[in-house]
Amino acid sequence: RKEVEQDPGPFNVPEGATVAFNCTYSNSASQSFFWYRQDCRKEPKLLMSVYSSGNEDGRFTAQLNRASQYISLLIRDSKLSDSATYLCVVKRGGGNKLTFGTGTQLKVEL
Amino acid sequence: NAGVTQTPKFRVLKTGQSMTLLCAQDMNHEYMYWYRQDPGMGLRLIHYSVGEGTTAKGEVPDGYNVSRLKKQNFLLGLESAAPSQTSVYFCAGGGDANTGELFFGEGSRLTVL
Repeated sequence: RKEVEQDPGPFNVPEGATVAFNCTYSNSASQSFFWYRQDCRKEPKLLMSVYSSGNEDGRFTAQLNRASQYISLLIRDSKLSDSATYLCVVKRGGGNKLTFGTGTQLKVEL
Repeated sequence: NAGVTQTPKFRVLKTGQSMTLLCAQDMNHEYMYWYRQDPGMGLRLIHYSVGEGTTAKGEVPDGYNVSRLKKQNFLLGLESAAPSQTSVYFCAGGGDANTGELFFGEGSRLTVL
């Protein structure tokens, strides 16, 4: 079983739609969680960290469910510019290595 | 500030040839990493360094060597390239202490024929 699993998609949604991605992780020792965004043929960039209490950054909301070992990303009012691959990333406590999921592709259409 | 810079951006090699990818950072990161990204596999850690003069193996280290002689540079070497090493390679700095933010270079596309 992969340490971090994501639905690869693609998720094709119309502009203005709300879309949600889930990611599951297998190692219960994981302590820090993040969403990265990767545009086509570009490098990944941090989108947001995921906190235990959930957190919001504009149209983006991230949540963590430790009991079920998954994190989620909700995007409201999707824009064409949101089209990208979203990578779920997990960091174990005490270390500095991040484990990346394979990513979920989002395509926002007119 | 250039951030994290990788060279070369593109390279085509024949099986058995050697090459070195250079990663340079001006962000004063202690930690640096080399990842490879393949379709359906995500980013996989090859080697990493927690400071000048140190290196450690990641998830897929076989066939690669690294060196961190200076804090700002992290070199990835392929001694005898194989077609299985065709990939996009990303260098990153960061991931220090309590943050999970890595700053990536733009990537290096390597094709081994």
